[in-house]
Amino acid sequence: KAGVTQTPRYLIKTRGQQVTLSCSPISGHRSVSWYQQTPGQGLQFLFEYFSETQRNKGNFPGRFSGRQFSNSRSEMNVSTLELGDSALYLCASSPGSSGYYNEQFFGPGTRLTVL
Amino acid sequence: KQEVTQIPAALSVPEGENLVLNCSFTDSAIYNLQWFRQDPGKGLTSLLLIQSSQREQTSGRLNASLDKSSGRSTLYIAASQPGDSATYLCASLRALTFGSGTRLQVQP
Repeated sequence: KAGVTQTPRYLIKTRGQQVTLSCSPISGHRSVSWYQQTPGQGLQFLFEYFSETQRNKGNFPGRFSGRQFSNSRSEMNVSTLELGDSALYLCASSPGSSGYYNEQFFGPGTRLTVL
Repeated sequence: KQEVTQIPAALSVPEGENLVLNCSFTDSAIYNLQWFRQDPGKGLTSLLLIQSSQREQTSGRLNASLDKSSGRSTLYIAASQPGDSATYLCASLRALTFGSGTRLQVQP
C-alpha cells in the first residue's frame, strides 16, 4: 500500500504570494490532518478534514485554509505569505471515522521557504 | 487544553545502552497516544500506538508504556544502535497535540 504523498516537496516563494500544497492520503483513509513544523514552535496542528468537512482547526490565522476532495485528497492554501510561514508542512492520514483516536501516518512534508 | 511535554530535550548515549524517553501530558482523558521518530528534514515515522485501554505496546527493541493516572508515557529502547539516532516525538491523539521531542544521538 502506498504511503502518504505530498507535493511539491520543496517550494520557494516571496512575501505576499500565495501557495497551495497537496496531500494524498493512504488509500482508504478518510481523515487528513495538516501540521506546521518550525524549529521554534515545534509541530503545530493546523486543521483536520474528514469526508470533505473541516472537523477541527488549530490556532492559526485565516490566511491558512484547506479543503478535502471526494477522493480524500486534501490541499492547504496559505495566502499573503509572510517570512514566518517558512516551515516544513506535514500532512497525516488516518483510517476510520474519528481522526482523533486513530493512528496517524505522515507524509514526507513540503519544505516552504518564504523570501 | 492538552499540553504534552518531553524530557530530556536531547540525549547522547554510547551504542548498546538501554534508554528511556519520557512524555507527560496534562489531560488524563488522553484516549490514544502515539510515538514517532523523525529524521532530520523528513516526515514522522510511526513507532507505536498505545490505545487508552492498554498499558503498553512492544515492537522489536521498543517498548512504550502508558500511565493515564500519572499523565505519563515512556518509550524504552533496548540495546541502542547508531541507526536509532533521530528525534522522538509523542502525541496525544485526542487533541492532535505533539511534544517538542527528544533528540537522541547514539555514539558508535
